Amino acid sequence: DVKVTQSSRYLVKRTGEKVFLECVQDMDHENMFWYRQDPGLGLRLIYFSYDVKMKEKGDIPEGYSVSREKKERFSLILESASTNQTSMYLCASSLPARRTVNTGELFFGEGSRLTVL
Amino acid sequence: AQTVTQSQPEMSVQEAETVTLSCTYDTSESNYYLFWYKQPPSRQMILVIRQEAYKQQNATENRFSVNFQKAAKSFSLKISDSQLGDTAMYFCAFTAPQGGSEKLVFGKGMKLTVNP
Repeated sequence: DVKVTQSSRYLVKRTGEKVFLECVQDMDHENMFWYRQDPGLGLRLIYFSYDVKMKEKGDIPEGYSVSREKKERFSLILESASTNQTSMYLCASSLPARRTVNTGELFFGEGSRLTVL
Repeated sequence: AQTVTQSQPEMSVQEAETVTLSCTYDTSESNYYLFWYKQPPSRQMILVIRQEAYKQQNATENRFSVNFQKAAKSFSLKISDSQLGDTAMYFCAFTAPQGGSEKLVFGKGMKLTVNP
């Protein structure tokens, strides 16, 4: 089974702190994603990476950056956390369309609930 | 830009009943994929069912089936014989890889409660 592991289930940080959210997948997936989930807003894509060192902005990249130095690991960075970044963060991974018949099947981690005070 | 709309924020149903969750989408792409994902309380999001736009036949997975109306850009999920374990958030999603990016666009979700 594919396993996507997010480093922290719950975090509490102060405004202005630098925050790292780590995500590791064990199935050699090229694609990795960071989504933010808020009630009534669904899932919104922050960043997407389709290979090592490759990234693409999603719909809400402002205030976030990402790092993909190794294929299995995709990190989300909040350079200076703000209260409006309090949210649930979901990491996901998938195979690219050229390597699967199940295009678009994402495998999700359990989520990281971040509270910024 | 592609958009996915789920207009019902919440529904409840009795165990063993059938329930239909609605979803509409908008795209100019000709080849795309549609999905229903399920997020049980405090658990990981998982794929329920997947539909390729070029296939006319509606996808089915055990108690889950879809009604895909391509011209109307409608993609509803029918859950038959509802079970307590079907209680979850359900998200409709879309991707069009040939458009250049393999990211999924999600709807706002719908909370389904199955009552005993």
